[in-house]
Amino acid sequence: GQNIDQPTEMTATEGAIVQINCTYQTSGFNGLFWYQQHAGEAPTFLSYNVLDGLEEKGRFSSFLSRSKGYSYLLLKELQMKDSASYLCAVRRGGADGLTFGKGTHLIIQP
Amino acid sequence: DAGITQSPRYKITETGRQVTLMCHQTWSHSYMFWYRQDLGHGLRLIYYSAAADITDKGEVPDGYVVSRSKTENFPLTLESATRSQTSVYFCASRETSGGQETQYFGPGTRLLVL
Repeated sequence: GQNIDQPTEMTATEGAIVQINCTYQTSGFNGLFWYQQHAGEAPTFLSYNVLDGLEEKGRFSSFLSRSKGYSYLLLKELQMKDSASYLCAVRRGGADGLTFGKGTHLIIQP
Repeated sequence: DAGITQSPRYKITETGRQVTLMCHQTWSHSYMFWYRQDLGHGLRLIYYSAAADITDKGEVPDGYVVSRSKTENFPLTLESATRSQTSVYFCASRETSGGQETQYFGPGTRLLVL
């Protein structure tokens, strides 16, 4: 079956760095996505990794290891507005839609 | 430059009624998707469409019908609503450019089935 695991909740301090991990077991692989979702709003795209390595985009970076079925999202210089759920999703081989994890609720404390 | 819009944003209906959720995108993206989001499940794919007149089932298609007569519209119909279909429904479209892929989500429709 398809399985995407990420922590349910994490807490971090304003100005600090936090790493949100995601592990996946899927039949085939065509890319891994990270989305941010504030309460009551739609998911917004953060990153896309299809090859191994680190992709950096401003304060956010995403890493992928296909052999380990592992990704992480790194958020630097945390701001209060980063309090949100972070969704890990995979596009499986031969599939067009995304398979999502249940999301990680990130709480930023002053 | 609306992007992707959904209507209605909120809907209350009764068990057994037919409900249609609308989705419209202005980008001319080929691929469009319908997901539902429920506590404890995350987002799950209901149906998707690769182009006008081409649709396919996702993970949880039972009780839903889709059509796509025009590229920009992708309506989702609940033929006979059930309480288990109370959820938040998100429409999305996919852009592929320069090796990068992105799915953009609409604002969502919150549906309550009584």
